[in-house]
Amino acid sequence: GQQLNQSPQSMFIQEGEDVSMNCTSSSIFNTWLWYKQEPGEGPVLLIALYKAGELTSNGRLTAQFGITRKDSFLNISASIPSDVGIYFCAGQLWASGSRLTFGEGTQLTVNP
Amino acid sequence: EPEVTQTPSHQVTQMGQEVILRCVPISNHLYFYWYRQILGQKVEFLVSFYNNEISEKSEIFDDQFSVERPDGSNFTLKIRSTKLEDSAMYFCASSDRGSQPQHFGDGTRLSIL
Repeated sequence: GQQLNQSPQSMFIQEGEDVSMNCTSSSIFNTWLWYKQEPGEGPVLLIALYKAGELTSNGRLTAQFGITRKDSFLNISASIPSDVGIYFCAGQLWASGSRLTFGEGTQLTVNP
Repeated sequence: EPEVTQTPSHQVTQMGQEVILRCVPISNHLYFYWYRQILGQKVEFLVSFYNNEISEKSEIFDDQFSVERPDGSNFTLKIRSTKLEDSAMYFCASSDRGSQPQHFGDGTRLSIL
C-alpha cells in the first residue's frame, strides 16, 4: 500500500517560534489533509487541500499541496502552548476508494 | 458543531470474547469508516461503508471483523473472537461524500486481557 513519510518525528520549541513539518509519498494523492490529535481524543481536522499547488490558511496554520501531488507541508506561526499535540498528515486517493493513509505523526512540544 | 460520538470510551474484554464498538456518525453523512491506532503508532484504515455495504477494507479487516448499520443512526464494528493484538484505540469517522474530509470520533480504547 501507499506509505507516507512524515518529518520531523518530534519537535521541541519555545513559545512564539514558527514550526514547519512535512509529508512525502512515493505516489500521488488527490487530497491532502492535516489533523491534530490530543491525548485521549480523536484526530481533529485542521486543513484540507484538494488541488496541486493549493496554499490554504486556517488562523496561524498554513498548509500547501505540493505541485507533484506527492508532498505537503504544514506551518504553524507564533506557536502557543495549546499547539501541543501530535500532528498527522493524511492522503486520500479517490481511485482506491476513500481510505485515508496517515503519516507517522509529528509530536509537538511548546515550552512557555 | 455536529460530531461523531463513540461508545464506550473504554472496553476491557477477555481474549476470545466478542466485542461490539458503537458509533453515531454525523447525521447527514453517508460514508462511514473505522480506523484503529495501536498505542504510539499511526492511525490505520480498517473499513469504509456506503449505501449499506462495505466499499473498501484493508488487510487488517479479516473474517473476525464485521460492520453493520443496524438503524438510521448507529454504525457498529464487531470483533468476533478478540486477540491480544486487537488492543488499540478504534476510531469511527464519517463524511458527507467520499471525497470530502472525514471527521473522527474520540475513539474507544479496547483492552484485551
